[in-house]
This record gives sequence, C-alpha cells and structure tokens, in this order.
Amino acid sequence: DQQVKQNSPSLSVQEGRISILNCDYTNSMFDYFLWYKKYPAEGPTFLISISSIKDKNEDGRFTVFLNKSAKHLSLHIVPSQPGDSAVYFCAAKFQGAQKLVFGQGTRLTINP
Amino acid sequence: NAGVTQTPKFQVLKTGQSMTLQCAQDMNHEYMSWYRQDPGMGLRLIHYSVGAGITDQGEVPNGYNVSRSTTEDFPLRLLSAAPSQTSVYFCASRSQGPGGANYGYTFGSGTRLTVV
Repeated sequence: DQQVKQNSPSLSVQEGRISILNCDYTNSMFDYFLWYKKYPAEGPTFLISISSIKDKNEDGRFTVFLNKSAKHLSLHIVPSQPGDSAVYFCAAKFQGAQKLVFGQGTRLTINP
Repeated sequence: NAGVTQTPKFQVLKTGQSMTLQCAQDMNHEYMSWYRQDPGMGLRLIHYSVGAGITDQGEVPNGYNVSRSTTEDFPLRLLSAAPSQTSVYFCASRSQGPGGANYGYTFGSGTRLTVV
C-alpha cells in the first residue's frame, strides 16, 4: 500500500513559468515531509522540507505547501529554469523514526 | 570529503549468483539505509541500521542481507540473485541528531544491477 503517492509521472513546463508538483499521503503519523531532486546517474539530493506543524516553507525559487486536512503537499518552482529538469521525489518521515517513505517520482521537463 | 561512496556503479549477474554491494560513508553518520529504485515505484527501503551492530528490515527485505560491523560501512548482500532484483540501488546515511531541515540524508550515486 503506497503511503506516499505522486500521481503525475511527468510534467512539462515552459521556462520562466511556474512548475507545480503534487504529492498525497495517507498516514497522519508523518511528521516531516521532504522533496528530493534526482538527475540521471546520480543519487537524490535534498531540495526542501516542511514540518507537519507548518503549512508553508520557502527557499528561494522553491516553496512547499502542506494541506494537512487534505493530506496533500505541493512543490512550487518559480520561475522554472532548464536546470530544474529532473525527477522529483516526495518523501515522508514517521514521528520518532529515522526512515523515509518515498513517492513514485515525477519527471519534470522545462522547455526553452 | 567523499560523502557516501557506493561500489560498483554497474554490475551484471547471472540468476543464482551472489554478490555484495558496498556502501561507505566518511561523515560518522549513525544511520544508514539501502533503497532500491524501480520505474513507477519510487524508492523503497530494503534494510536500515541505526548504528554498528544494529540492523532492521524495511519494506522489501526479502532476498537481501545486511550487516553493520563498523560505523562507516553498510554492505548489502544478494545471496542468490533473481531477475526481480534488477534495479538501481542507493545507499543513504544521516546523523542521528536533528540534522537540520533536510534531516541530514546524504545519498550515494547508486549501483545499477542487472540480473539475467
């Protein structure tokens, strides 16, 4: 049973526009959510995170929004740049645990 | 500072063969874990360790063994490889502390394994 779901396998966005990547979860015991970015032939690298007690976290061009009632989070990238083309993974952490649960990933392509 | 180093980067095995995927970190991290990445499945946790001598199973542990004799190393063993184990394997580590906003996870660059 997939506890963290990214229902869009791919997304294509024009350079300079906003990219919105979505993630849904089913378990209320998650206390932290993270986004990772992955280029081909490399390991995932951390992008941004949000605690379950917050509803927004911003870091430069990247903003993560958390809607706990809907069990939904989204990553906004504004403006999108060609270097943002990668696979993005949503991940969640259980309270009191170390391990992460990942979504399936969304491949973002930024078109010039 | 090498971070998390995985070897080999690529490997082809025949069904039934055994092999060990190596993972080493030089950050003195207590927590280490192994994930596999498959198309449409994201990253799934195989095994993890919270310190030397302590290991536990993740979501998909069958067919894999681990041990943690030192803080630095966390090898993943395939005892009898099967085609279903064809995947890309990632090792990750983090400090047991708060780790900051990213929870301190550092991933290796992966091992691409093909079982024929």
